[in-house]
Amino acid sequence: TQLLEQSPQFLSIQEGENLTVYCNSSSVFSSLQWYRQEPGEGPVLLVTVVTGGEVKKLKRLTFQFGDARKDSSLHITAAQPGDTGLYLCAPPPGNQFYFGTGTSLTVIP
Amino acid sequence: SAVISQKPSRDICQRGTSLTIQCQVDSQVTMMFWYRQQPGQSLTLIATANQGSEATYESGFVIDKFPISRPNLTFSTLTVSNMSPEDSSIYLCSVAGEAYTEAFFGQGTRLTVV
Repeated sequence: TQLLEQSPQFLSIQEGENLTVYCNSSSVFSSLQWYRQEPGEGPVLLVTVVTGGEVKKLKRLTFQFGDARKDSSLHITAAQPGDTGLYLCAPPPGNQFYFGTGTSLTVIP
Repeated sequence: SAVISQKPSRDICQRGTSLTIQCQVDSQVTMMFWYRQQPGQSLTLIATANQGSEATYESGFVIDKFPISRPNLTFSTLTVSNMSPEDSSIYLCSVAGEAYTEAFFGQGTRLTVV
């Protein structure tokens, strides 16, 4: 199992604030995925980053894959209460499918 | 995409008993994954189940405690055996979509052991 450390573990912010979540590893990945899990639901895929240095945008969410393909970040601009959830990074599913340590985000109205 | 139906959605069980969780997929899939999750925390992989072969368990999880069946390409069960309060958790099943580009999840089973 390749360890994926996410930081921060918990984050509580006011609506309208910006935030960044990090996913770090000592291993190199061919790609990384970001999932969001809302209470009572299973995780849902947000994005897959494939190329080192790649930046992908999904509305107010910006995802970046590190140049060395060992890390990734998720930046949310002007957070909204609907962004509340558990954010998880993971390599794509294969013979195993494991997740990072997770970041629990609460956006307060 | 894949739609997963997981049952039961929640249960309260007596210690020492066993609970079997079912996971039904609306399409044939090769890989199925079972997880345990504490509220607000990440998912911990219990085992990977391929149809027609024994499940592969992660460190800290054993077949006697978490037996898994995978009788066909659309169905799997996870049994939590001889339960203790420490087994109280959310259990989720997942499948890898075509080309393994995405994973899909059931809504989870919230288990409370008293």
